[in-house]
Amino acid sequence: QVQLQESGPGLVKPSETLSLTCTVSGGSISGHYWNWIWQPPGKGLEWIGYIHYSGSTNYNPSLKSRVTISVDASKNHFSLTLSSVTAADTAVYYCARGWAGAGDYFDYWGQGIPVTVSS
Amino acid sequence: DIQMTQSPSSVSASVGDRVTITCRASQGISSWLAWYQQKPGKAPKLLIYGAYRLQSGVPSRFSGSGSGTDFTLTISSLQPEDFATYYCQQANSFPRTFGQGTKVDIK
Repeated sequence: QVQLQESGPGLVKPSETLSLTCTVSGGSISGHYWNWIWQPPGKGLEWIGYIHYSGSTNYNPSLKSRVTISVDASKNHFSLTLSSVTAADTAVYYCARGWAGAGDYFDYWGQGIPVTVSS
Repeated sequence: DIQMTQSPSSVSASVGDRVTITCRASQGISSWLAWYQQKPGKAPKLLIYGAYRLQSGVPSRFSGSGSGTDFTLTISSLQPEDFATYYCQQANSFPRTFGQGTKVDIK
């Protein structure tokens, strides 16, 4: 059974960089697309972007200038960095595996990590 | 970006009721649509993909239909564990986008 687990700081100061890691267990990171999705408090889901195990990436244009997703296959984890954060970046951040085609659907999810941007 | 619009935003129903949620895409997405269920404080769970294909382990009371721009999720007989928020998601193009959610609560 594939499991994903997010880790990182729960509090980030405005203008700083948010860094989160998603560790994959019970399966290999190879052969799939690995995604970050966020959910602001009380709101819906928004796709941030993905990284393929080969290293190719695809980001949401709304965040593209501030987002980097990287992968470390040797550690079976992938990471998200979001620069110049503001209060609007306060959200629960999920990592998820993209499955079928170009990672079309999200079949395994982490439990989510709440991140607050505040001084 | 493809906009996904769900209706209704919320629905009150009783155990045993048939519940239908609709999702409309701002442009045609063929059958590239998924439905997710999210319970409070939990990650979403994939229920249906490819508009009508049931994900492994999902009860058969859940079904999906539609293609192009209009899609439907139906719960044939609502169970206590089905009270949750449901999201549609398009997989036709990038960026992937979700509907705003439909909350199913107890009548």
